[in-house]
This record gives sequence, structure tokens and C-alpha cells, in this order.
Amino acid sequence: EPEVTQTPSHQVTQMGQEVILRCVPISNHLYFYWYRQILGQKVEFLVSFYNNEISEKSEIFDDQFSVERPDGSNFTLKIRSTKLEDSAMYFCASSGPPGANVLTFGAGSRLTVL
Amino acid sequence: GENVEQHPSTLSVQEGDSAVIKCTYSDSASNYFPWYKQELGKGPQLIIDIRSNVGEKKDQRIAVTLNKTAKHFSLHITETQPEDSAVYFCAASEYNTDKLIFGTGTRLQVFP
Repeated sequence: EPEVTQTPSHQVTQMGQEVILRCVPISNHLYFYWYRQILGQKVEFLVSFYNNEISEKSEIFDDQFSVERPDGSNFTLKIRSTKLEDSAMYFCASSGPPGANVLTFGAGSRLTVL
Repeated sequence: GENVEQHPSTLSVQEGDSAVIKCTYSDSASNYFPWYKQELGKGPQLIIDIRSNVGEKKDQRIAVTLNKTAKHFSLHITETQPEDSAVYFCAASEYNTDKLIFGTGTRLQVFP
């Protein structure tokens, strides 16, 4: 079954450092997303990406965050200067046809900011 | 914006019993309601979904019901098994929008 793959599975970084989380969405999917889940809390929407641009973003997705699809397969989330409160599990997801809404999530990247 | 409430936060049942998890949503424009199962250390996995033109949907031991008037939807698991133990999230979104709004999750424990 097709799956979304994420790397790294766990990253520890110092506050103020830049972090890049990587995702390989399902190959024929057109929509890409990042969600995050702070420990013990609900999954929260960060950003969606379609046709090489951001289609929607939440209030959490401020200037410290950016997304990119550098080639035909990878989808990345960059946090420019990490803060303690950025510690969370970050999930990448992808979906196919417009309006289908059926998201497939990756296993997540756990980010720990010290 | 949309807000999704989910109850209960924890649920313990004996193997073979049924489990019911309930969610309410606030935005009447929402028309897609998926349920995700999250096992420890893994990402959310879609187990069933329902769209607002349908009142009920069933897939083997899992069923979802939707009451558009009351703006609530429920997940029903029958004949529960220990492998059903996980955290379950409901979510809601509007047609043709990109984001899912998740509930706060229900930790289901099925005891043998």
C-alpha cells in the first residue's frame, strides 16, 4: 500500500537552530500538508501546499516556518530559529483529487528543542 | 472557524463489548468527517469517513453515524478486540478546503 515517508524520525536541536523536516508524499498525490501534535494534545493543521504554493496556513505557521517542494518527490518543512514550544511531533500528509479530503499521514518526525 | 469537541477522553471496555465515541462540530458548512486511529509511535490512520449526504456508514465492525441537524457524529466499534486499543481522533472539514480540524482524541483500552 502506498505510504508517506518522513525523515528524520527524531531530531534533537538547540533553541535558535534551523531544522528541516523531510517528507516523501504518495507519488500521484497533488496536495501536501504539515500538521503538528504537541505531546498529549490534538493534531493541529499548519499548512497546505498545492501547485507549488501555499494554499492555506494556520496562525501557528508564522514567519519562522516555510515549506518547499525542491524536486518532484520531496516536501520539506523548515523552522528557521527553533523555540522550546516548537517541540512536537510533526506529521506530513498528502491527498489526491481536489476536494477528496482523504489524507494519508506519515509516521511523523519528533522534534525536541532544548 | 470550525471547532470539534470529542468525548470521552478515555474509554475502557472489555473485549467483545462495544465502544462509542462522540464528536460535535460547530460549522454547519463542514461536510466531511473522518475518523483516525493512532497507535503508539505512529501517524494517524484513516479508518472510516462519512460525508454529509449520508447518515450512516459501516465497514465490518466499525460504523459512523452523522446527525447534521444536531451537528454531531459518532464512531461505533462492535466486538472490540485488544488490537483496537489506540487513540481515536475525529475530524471535520468543508468540501474543497484543505484542512482537517481534529478533536482532542479518545484513548480506547480494550481489556482481554
